[in-house]
Amino acid sequence: EVQLVESGGGLVQPGGSLRLSCAASGFTFTKHWMSWVRQAPGKGLECVADIKQDESEKNYVDSVKGRFTISRDNARNSLFLQMNGLRAEDTAVYYCVRNRGLQYWGQGILVTVSS
Amino acid sequence: DVVMTQSPVSLSVTVGQPASISCRSSQSLVHSDGNTYLSWFQQRPGQSPRRLICKISDRDSGVPDRFIGSGSGTDFTLKISRVEAEDVGLYYCMQATHWPHTFGQGTKLESK
Repeated sequence: EVQLVESGGGLVQPGGSLRLSCAASGFTFTKHWMSWVRQAPGKGLECVADIKQDESEKNYVDSVKGRFTISRDNARNSLFLQMNGLRAEDTAVYYCVRNRGLQYWGQGILVTVSS
Repeated sequence: DVVMTQSPVSLSVTVGQPASISCRSSQSLVHSDGNTYLSWFQQRPGQSPRRLICKISDRDSGVPDRFIGSGSGTDFTLKISRVEAEDVGLYYCMQATHWPHTFGQGTKLESK
């Protein structure tokens, strides 16, 4: 069974940093692109970033470029999202998702940016 | 960015009746590899999204056959042949042909 478990969320002040982690299991992690998708409270879905199997390609939505960094540790079946310079508009539930086609989703982790 | 426009924004359907959701993209979703990366997702209240259909019409494992995807180019449709009570929730289309991958604004399905 595919499992994706996010951690590292919480409350942070504007301008602060957080590092989200995603522990993957139940599939061969090294065979798949991985993605982060977010959903602001009561709003729709937004693809934030994705990363190729060997980290040779990373893509970011314009609103997070230069502030967020996606990475992965294939030896530990883990995906990460380093978020710096956080803004109120980054407040959202962040989902770890398998594949560019977003086939499997984690339960999500809430990030709140507020003073 | 590719804009995905869904209609209607909400619909109320009697259990057992059909439902249809439209999704239009601002540009063609045909990829250079020949595939069209248009997917549909269901999000039940309080849950993570779940993918129902990929590449226009391929149902994911475990998805009931009452969910039917169709379309081409820039116009796509999700049909539910007979709505069941468990189908209540939000439905999103998404394109993964062009980065950034973008979602429609969502369609809320309610049962009468």
